Amino acid sequence: EAGVAQSPRYKIIEKRQSVAFWCNPISGHATLYWYQQILGQGPKLLIQFQNNGVVDDSQLPKDRFSAERLKGVDSTLKIQPAKLEDSAVYLCASSLDPGGVEAFFGQGTRLTVV
Amino acid sequence: AQSVSQHNHHVILSEAASLELGCNYSYGGTVNLFWYVQYPGQHLQLLLKYFSGDPLVKGIKGFEAEFIKSKFSFNLRKPSVQWSDTAEYFCAVNLRNQGGKLIFGQGTELSVKP
Repeated sequence: EAGVAQSPRYKIIEKRQSVAFWCNPISGHATLYWYQQILGQGPKLLIQFQNNGVVDDSQLPKDRFSAERLKGVDSTLKIQPAKLEDSAVYLCASSLDPGGVEAFFGQGTRLTVV
Repeated sequence: AQSVSQHNHHVILSEAASLELGCNYSYGGTVNLFWYVQYPGQHLQLLLKYFSGDPLVKGIKGFEAEFIKSKFSFNLRKPSVQWSDTAEYFCAVNLRNQGGKLIFGQGTELSVKP
């Protein structure tokens, strides 16, 4: 079975620019997560979708971050404008349902803001 | 606040040495517990998980973990490590019946010398 696909793998932008990341979850997985992993730390949840609805976005900096999951399949995470502290790996994960079963992770997008 | 703490940031072992990585969590409710592994250049993969039942859980590649409820701990063990176990290991927790959001520890980098 195909895994979680993310693109791009790497991105370098200047501060105040905008950037977008794309994620295609495993087919049939209703739940999709975006995590932010800053160097030296564990991943931190930014937003969780169940189909195309938001379940949890309590830790999403909504003044600059936005995410959507139109049609309940693939998802886009956007940052506008980027700050230096947004430099991190952005991980997408999916699971069959939100009941605590295994989440499958993509390889992530490494963002560097200069 | 809910948190997961991993005791060691970086562990260096020789091949055939035994491994124990500590993990403690601070949650009042019923939890699901996970260990994820990230090999160099690869995505996060599930090593093992505990939902209920026998507190000694066996995972892939000879790893096991023991859930000790009274100590809020879920330590990872392997009796004899190999060079190929070199990776970063993350302990994670989610609250049962409150969605699949994972709270991760900060990770432990394991280096195994051949």
